[in-house]
Amino acid sequence: RKEVEQDPGPFNVPEGATVAFNCTYSNSASQSFFWYRQDCRKEPKLLMSVYSSGNEDGRFTAQLNRASQYISLLIRDSKLSDSATYLCVVNRNSGYALNFGKGTSLLVTP
Amino acid sequence: GAVVSQHPSWVICKSGTSVKIECRSLDFQATTMFWYRQFPKQSLMLMATSNEGSKATYEQGVEKDKFLINHASLTLSTLTVTSAHPEDSSFYICSASMQGGGYTFGSGTRLTVV
Repeated sequence: RKEVEQDPGPFNVPEGATVAFNCTYSNSASQSFFWYRQDCRKEPKLLMSVYSSGNEDGRFTAQLNRASQYISLLIRDSKLSDSATYLCVVNRNSGYALNFGKGTSLLVTP
Repeated sequence: GAVVSQHPSWVICKSGTSVKIECRSLDFQATTMFWYRQFPKQSLMLMATSNEGSKATYEQGVEKDKFLINHASLTLSTLTVTSAHPEDSSFYICSASMQGGGYTFGSGTRLTVV
């Protein structure tokens, strides 16, 4: 089983739509969880950290379910500029390195 | 914010030559630097973890004699791909861990070996 698994998509949605991405991770000892955004094979950029209580940043809401080892990202009111690949990222249980999912591709269309 | 400057952004080299990639932390001291690579349509995969002043720790399947990592100072870590071959063509990216738990990434190096 892969460390971090995501649906690769692509998700094609119209502007203004709400879209949700899911992710599962295999290491129950992981303590830190993130969503990153990657554009055109550039470096990943932190979108938001994910906390057990769930957290929201503007149009973005992240949820974590430790029991199910499941992470989600909800994007409301999609913008054209949201088109990117969204990476689910989980830290390892030692050494602080990160395990990345393959990413979910989002295309927001006019 | 903390910035890691990575150079070069892209490089094309002939098979059999060596390529050095540099990552410099500009406004902080990077005690630990992680090196990842990403093949097309794949996830970023950790290659090695380097700590300043000590030998790097390589992930299983990554040849330490081929991918030489040097982290001689708190502001500079380098990855040298020795005797590069076309299968080494990939996107290489460094990342430093920050105090407080965050991570900052270099801008990546796209290596093409012909």
